[in-house]
Amino acid sequence: AQTVTQSQPEMSVQEAETVTLSCTYDTSENNYYLFWYKQPPSRQMILVIRQEAYKQQNATENRFSVNFQKAAKSFSLKISDSQLGDTAMYFCAFMNPSYSGAGSYQLTFGKGTKLSVIP
Amino acid sequence: DSGVTQTPKHLITATGQRVTLRCSPRSGDLSVYWYQQSLDQGLQFLIQYYNGEERAKGNILERFSAQQFPDLHSELNLSSLELGDSALYFCASSVVGGPQETQYFGPGTRLLVL
Repeated sequence: AQTVTQSQPEMSVQEAETVTLSCTYDTSENNYYLFWYKQPPSRQMILVIRQEAYKQQNATENRFSVNFQKAAKSFSLKISDSQLGDTAMYFCAFMNPSYSGAGSYQLTFGKGTKLSVIP
Repeated sequence: DSGVTQTPKHLITATGQRVTLRCSPRSGDLSVYWYQQSLDQGLQFLIQYYNGEERAKGNILERFSAQQFPDLHSELNLSSLELGDSALYFCASSVVGGPQETQYFGPGTRLLVL
């Protein structure tokens, strides 16, 4: 079974500062996908960023970037210039295309990191 | 707004009862996923449908069932409800269910079993 571990249950950061959320995963597969989802107090799940394992270049989306270390099975999220609207639960998720057979691509989530941005 | 709709937003019921949660995917999406978010288990995949057919099952209890209708909306049926079934139930959709696609989540249905 695939597992995703987020070792930081809670974190806080000052507004405009940078914060990094950690995520590690366990898999024996070579081809997979990694995601960070954000869940604000509204409970909506919002995709922040995704990374394909076959790509060496780290994904970036505006203020959000990842540090993908395939050999270490590590996938951290860096948020630059933190804003109050970044306050949310952040979930790291893993998708293994071959795990459940052809045509099925469900997400396996970590337990989440609660991020608070302090004014 | 992701374009995925779920009804109802909140549901309060008693143990032993049966409820139906409804999901309408984004326009054009053929694949629907159901996830459960609880305090104990976190976010877990339950089941996936593609164009009316079941594609994969995750940690879905036998008391739970789902289906996807010809108009592509999906329903998750929960029966013989227990206190531990209290959770937030999400529906997500994607175009054909491929790994290159983003799964867009609905706002969820919060179920409280008393």
